[in-house]
Amino acid sequence: SQQGEEDPQALSIQEGENATMNCSYKTSINNLQWYRQNSGRGLVHLILIRSNEREKHSGRLRVTLDTSKKSSSLLITASRAADTASYFCATDGDLYDKVIFGPGTSLSVIP
Amino acid sequence: DAGVTQSPTHLIKTRGQQVTLRCSPISGHKSVSWYQQVLGQGPQFIFQYYEKEERGRGNFPDRFSARQFPNYSSELNVNALLLGDSALYLCASSLASGSFYTQYFGPGTRLTVL
Repeated sequence: SQQGEEDPQALSIQEGENATMNCSYKTSINNLQWYRQNSGRGLVHLILIRSNEREKHSGRLRVTLDTSKKSSSLLITASRAADTASYFCATDGDLYDKVIFGPGTSLSVIP
Repeated sequence: DAGVTQSPTHLIKTRGQQVTLRCSPISGHKSVSWYQQVLGQGPQFIFQYYEKEERGRGNFPDRFSARQFPNYSSELNVNALLLGDSALYLCASSLASGSFYTQYFGPGTRLTVL
């Protein structure tokens, strides 16, 4: 079974609004990553947060990690139409070299 | 600098056939991972290779195999294709093995099995 589960499955917002996506996972992790995928193409790495970190920022992105609740959130501020994509969280699995992706959140930003 | 490249871009095969997909990592990257992404789902881990050795394997049947060459490029082979093997196959490279290293993905190979 997948380690991470994103919520919601789909999200539609107006340009300029903020978008928040959540990820829950089951077992302890060393780090958690967020990726973006446009229209079934290759994935683009957005941000990595380690298990001893609580929050990280990168441009308009803000990621939080709560290891006690086994959850993470990705906030995209001031969304743009170009942010329309699927967003995946990924965690390390039971094997050190294995990365496990969730099913993703499909974000639509309406101009 | 060139990113991860994959070939071919698209491929159509029939059931029972065999297919070979190729991946060239970013220069200097020694680890290559393969993922299968079925439409509407997240990528599923298939293999990871580092320094030409298999470091991890996902829950895929033995019909799936891979190897890494001395120049760190990699091939994924799938034998006896099934309809359910239709998917986007993604290759990712990283500097070294381990989930602390960012994986950089190629554009993928879209495989259709008829």
